[in-house]
Amino acid sequence: DAGVTQSPTHLIKTRGQQVTLRCSPKSGHDTVSWYQQALGQGPQFIFQYYEEEERQRGNFPDRFSGHQFPNYSSELNVNALLLGDSALYLCASSSGTGGSRQPQHFGDGTRLSIL
Amino acid sequence: AQKVTQAQTEISVVEKEDVTLDCVYETRDTTYYLFWYKQPPSGELVFLIRRNSFDEQNEISGRYSWNFQKSTSSFNFTITASQVVDSAVYFCALRDHYGQNFVFGPGTRLSVLP
Repeated sequence: DAGVTQSPTHLIKTRGQQVTLRCSPKSGHDTVSWYQQALGQGPQFIFQYYEEEERQRGNFPDRFSGHQFPNYSSELNVNALLLGDSALYLCASSSGTGGSRQPQHFGDGTRLSIL
Repeated sequence: AQKVTQAQTEISVVEKEDVTLDCVYETRDTTYYLFWYKQPPSGELVFLIRRNSFDEQNEISGRYSWNFQKSTSSFNFTITASQVVDSAVYFCALRDHYGQNFVFGPGTRLSVLP
């Protein structure tokens, strides 16, 4: 049973570029959340997708956008990259039913470096 | 607003020592959920425990134990007889009743020395 998978593992971009990160949820999960973890800090919530819609959003600018596909996989897009966007981006999946009672399962993350 | 504080930035212990990681949280919700995650150098967040706000029973799982004190808004994590493999960053997290997202603490880096 595959857990949460993210691709790519590492990515290097330059300022102003755009990037797309991908996430496949754990089997049986239909909700995907994205987090940004800067070096030495705890993860910060970006947004959550359920039923192909953004359900809630953290305090991130519109440069951060996402999408969820019918197979529950998800993409995180970041436009006009800034140096401060360098971070580990974590995807987490959970089951929509049961809500907060379901612990989220995290992927290994994509480490994004902006030069 | 919800907030999680982990006052210990880094802790170093020698193998076989016991160590307690502190977590203090703030929330206005009456129903909420508390979590601990382990993050080894590989980066993946490994789920350790979930506790809901109505269950103040302490829990033990092998060498791990958790002390939930609602009166002091604390959810501390103790590792007994620590091992080198316990070296990681540990995050305490709070999630509201509707399960929309986590609020993570800043993490505590634990180093267990041989």
